Amino acid sequence: SQTIHQWPATLVQPVGSPLSLECTVEGTSNPNLYWYRQAAGRGLQLLFYSVGIGQISSEVPQNLSASRPQDRQFILSSKKLLLSDSGFYLCAWNPPGNPYEQYFGPGTRLTVT
Amino acid sequence: AQSVAQPEDQVNVAEGNPLTVKCTYSVSGNPYLFWYVQYPNRGLQFLLKYITGDNLVKGSYGFEAEFNKSQTSFHLKKPSALVSDSALYFCAVSYYGNNRLAFGKGNQVVVIP
Repeated sequence: SQTIHQWPATLVQPVGSPLSLECTVEGTSNPNLYWYRQAAGRGLQLLFYSVGIGQISSEVPQNLSASRPQDRQFILSSKKLLLSDSGFYLCAWNPPGNPYEQYFGPGTRLTVT
Repeated sequence: AQSVAQPEDQVNVAEGNPLTVKCTYSVSGNPYLFWYVQYPNRGLQFLLKYITGDNLVKGSYGFEAEFNKSQTSFHLKKPSALVSDSALYFCAVSYYGNNRLAFGKGNQVVVIP
């Protein structure tokens, strides 16, 4: 069966520090991968999505970036965090042969102080 | 482009009563519709989907949703609500050829014992 992992589960970082959040999917190959941010416990904002290694599409201009160094690994990064980067970050993937149905990881709670 | 509207911020219902969470959508072409549930500090869990076929779709935990093309709606329903159904519910839409989902803002459901 397929599973998706995110780490860390929680993170507290000072303003101006770097960020690296990791997402990995097991039990599948060549999935579409997505990064979302959820602010204030409500709506989801799509940040990045990837259809393959090294292929990243950015949905919202900001100080975040994403990379996909391996087929089942998706990384969200920042060189310098802002207070507004605080939120709940969710990674998601599509099952093979089903590009419309997304399954989500457990999320990372980021607090920028 | 696609979008989803969830008009109510919060839905309160007594345990044992029917639960309805409303969703309307806007999309070019035939819609692919989804419902997800989120418990506090957790990732989104897939409940059900409509791609094609019967307008009444049955999903996890006794939930169902009815696709109504003329009203562009996809309301989520449960005949008898449980306290454990208290959570945040998201409606989402996509369409053929688009691997991105557009999410609504979410509805907080509170089931009162």
